[in-house]
Amino acid sequence: SQQGEEDPQALSIQEGENATMNCSYKTSINNLQWYRQNSGRGLVHLILIRSNEREKHSGRLRVTLDTSKKSSSLLITASRAADTASYFCATGAYSGAGSYQLTFGKGTKLSVIP
Amino acid sequence: KAGVTQTPRYLIKTRGQQVTLSCSPISGHRSVSWYQQTPGQGLQFLFEYFSETQRNKGNFPGRFSGRQFSNSRSEMNVSTLELGDSALYLCASSLAPSGMRQETQYFGPGTRLLVL
Repeated sequence: SQQGEEDPQALSIQEGENATMNCSYKTSINNLQWYRQNSGRGLVHLILIRSNEREKHSGRLRVTLDTSKKSSSLLITASRAADTASYFCATGAYSGAGSYQLTFGKGTKLSVIP
Repeated sequence: KAGVTQTPRYLIKTRGQQVTLSCSPISGHRSVSWYQQTPGQGLQFLFEYFSETQRNKGNFPGRFSGRQFSNSRSEMNVSTLELGDSALYLCASSLAPSGMRQETQYFGPGTRLLVL
């Protein structure tokens, strides 16, 4: 079952603009991660934010986490055509007997128009 | 360092057949997880292996099984294939079971399975 729900499902912007994607989840988490996938290929890890962190940066990426609202956002600044991809949030949480699982949302499809 | 490799990359099977997919993790990585990705259900967790033991299992029928070898390479098997098994199967490796140090997972390119 999906834990994270991304919003919007699709986003189209001009090169140079900022792109913001949101993720909401339902249960308690230990961390939240964002991944990128190009055209049905493998996923590439972008950034991990732990439940006790509120904001994290990596290059042109900025991730925020609000555990009280059970939501996260991914901001890509100064977008490039090469950023065109699907972006997934994944929540990491312990589930029964101490096992840990990463649960993915359905993703946001970002198109950056040159 | 070589990334996660998956073989084969593409596969066409017919209903009722069985299939075995292979995954070689990044050198030194001991944990391997498998995911199924479909347009309708998105990415769904199948199972995770560490030191040849299944550590976690998703909500899939018993037709889906896997194993891990002493060199950390993993295989997954789907028996009695159904049309709905058509999907991209992704393998991911990490240094340790993801529950121990919340390690990042590194994904392979996937195996695209089409069941006719």
